[in-house]
Amino acid sequence: EAGVVQSPRYKIIEKKQPVAFWCNPISGHNTLYWYRQNLGQGPELLIRYENEEAVDDSQLPKDRFSAERLKGVDSTLKIQPAELGDSAVYLCASRFPGDGTEAFFGQGTRLTVV
Amino acid sequence: GEDVEQSLFLSVREGDSSVINCTYTDSSSTYLYWYKQEPGAGLQLLTYIFSNMDMKQDQRLTVLLNKKDKHLSLRIADTQTGDSAIYFCAEQDYGQNFVFGPGTRLSVLP
Repeated sequence: EAGVVQSPRYKIIEKKQPVAFWCNPISGHNTLYWYRQNLGQGPELLIRYENEEAVDDSQLPKDRFSAERLKGVDSTLKIQPAELGDSAVYLCASRFPGDGTEAFFGQGTRLTVV
Repeated sequence: GEDVEQSLFLSVREGDSSVINCTYTDSSSTYLYWYKQEPGAGLQLLTYIFSNMDMKQDQRLTVLLNKKDKHLSLRIADTQTGDSAIYFCAEQDYGQNFVFGPGTRLSVLP
């Protein structure tokens, strides 16, 4: 079975440009997360979906970040406009809902804003 | 908010045991996790422990939980060069989100 698939793997853009990341979770996983991992740090939550509903977006910088999960499957995360400080690895994870279930992570998209 | 702390670096000799420590603040955490991250890769779950347990063993891995002190540790027996990676401690908060520590970079010397 395929794991969590993210694309692109790498992206280099100039500041003020828009960028989008795509995530295909594991089939049947209702819960989907987007995390941001800055260099040398642990991942930090941006948003969590249960099916198509964003149930926790309290840490998403809504002035420039947006996300969607149409039909409760694939998800996209967008930044517009990008800033230099947005350079990081963006990780998508999915899991079955409930306590103690494993979250499976994709390989991430490494964003460099120049 | 919740906070998870770890020492940033650990260096051991091949064949020795490694012990990675973690402290957390959320006393309501129900599950605590250890994830491994190799260069250029996503996070891989190593093991997890339910908060009403104090120990869990899985082959070379032993997890110890001191809920009173909010302290979690991961012991890797017979550490190999392939164990070199970054190890993240994480707690599951009340909202079923994962709160990660900064990661401990384990270097295994031959």
